[in-house]
Amino acid sequence: EPEVTQTPSHQVTQMGQEVILRCVPISNHLYFYWYRQILGQKVEFLVSFYNNEISEKSEIFDDQFSVERPDGSNFTLKIRSTKLEDSAMYFCASILEGNTEAFFGQGTRLTVV
Amino acid sequence: AQSVSQHNHHVILSEAASLELGCNYSYGGTVNLFWYVQYPGQHLQLLLKYFSGDPLVKGIKGFEAEFIKSKFSFNLRKPSVQWSDTAEYFCAVMDSSYKLIFGSGTRLLVRP
Repeated sequence: EPEVTQTPSHQVTQMGQEVILRCVPISNHLYFYWYRQILGQKVEFLVSFYNNEISEKSEIFDDQFSVERPDGSNFTLKIRSTKLEDSAMYFCASILEGNTEAFFGQGTRLTVV
Repeated sequence: AQSVSQHNHHVILSEAASLELGCNYSYGGTVNLFWYVQYPGQHLQLLLKYFSGDPLVKGIKGFEAEFIKSKFSFNLRKPSVQWSDTAEYFCAVMDSSYKLIFGSGTRLLVRP
């Protein structure tokens, strides 16, 4: 069964460092998303990506965040200068087309120290 | 603004007890509703979804949910829970841009 894969599963980084979280969505899917879940809190939308551009972003997704789909298969989330409050589980998701179910990756647990 | 409310943050049940988790949404458009489950240390998995048609939807592992439009509700039910149902359950609505808006989640602990 096709699945969304994310790497790494865990990432520990020092405050101020750049991190890149990687995702490989399901191959024929068209819409891609990043969500995050701070420990003990709900899952929050960060950004959506369609047709090689950002289609929507939340207030959380400030200038420190960026996304790319560099090669038609990977979908990356970059945090330029990490802060302690960026510590969270980051989930990538993809959907085939509008109004269908979202498939989630296993998540990357990011810890900023 | 769209929102999803889950009333029960923590639920503790004994095996074989019946389960009902509440979910209410606030959304003005056509609703597509989901329940996801997150087992300890794992990713979000789809339990069931509602797009249209029969408001009583059946999902995996014996779960079902009923969409009641007049009450803006999409409650999750299971007649008899098992220890393996211990997990966190998230209700979500898909908005017009196809992103999911999640509720705060309900942690279910099933005691053997």
